[in-house]
Amino acid sequence: DAKTTQPTSMDCAEGRAANLPCNHSTISGNEYVYWYRQIHSQGPQYIIHGLKNNETNEMASLIITEDRKSSTLILPHATLRDTAVYYCIVSPNTGTASKLTFGTGTRLQVTL
Amino acid sequence: DTAVSQTPKYLVTQMGNDKSIKCEQNLGHDTMYWYKQDSKKFLKIMFSYNNKELIINETVPNRFSPKSPDKAHLNLHINSLELGDSAVYFCASSQEPMTKTQYFGPGTRLLVL
Repeated sequence: DAKTTQPTSMDCAEGRAANLPCNHSTISGNEYVYWYRQIHSQGPQYIIHGLKNNETNEMASLIITEDRKSSTLILPHATLRDTAVYYCIVSPNTGTASKLTFGTGTRLQVTL
Repeated sequence: DTAVSQTPKYLVTQMGNDKSIKCEQNLGHDTMYWYKQDSKKFLKIMFSYNNKELIINETVPNRFSPKSPDKAHLNLHINSLELGDSAVYFCASSQEPMTKTQYFGPGTRLLVL
């Protein structure tokens, strides 16, 4: 799996958009970008994933650069409940077995 | 309805004891996982089962033995508990083995004294 680099921490005011960057300059052509988050004392939660195109769901949007070397997770209107550690994971969707390799993630603090 | 559930939520025990953690998923998924999150918050895969068959075993001491009685359940038995086993253990499931879209349980906080 390709290595990812994320900022250690970020702050965001409630109601504003939270933009969480991820660098994955060694990503391979068959590797997807996945985002998970872990709210304090809870299990990780799947947010969104994409290969090349930008993706949007009810939780967030994922913007992947054209060269696929970086991506940004966007929470359009952050709330206090979005305070969590956000993990960017790059991995193929093929192979004999699937495991998520979590890094250190970005700790997002949403404030009033 | 809880999709992935684990019992117990907390487990405090003495060194040397044997304990089990249970996991159940009601999502109809074929694949289940055990992850360990240590005190530094690093989250690492331990095991994965697909349709009751072991498919991932990530260099975990053989004191840890997963058991899958059916594809909705994956239990983790730990023999001769050590201080270093203290961690949060998360169970997860996915529709099939190749996908990285996994659904996690709430975790079991194990403290070995």
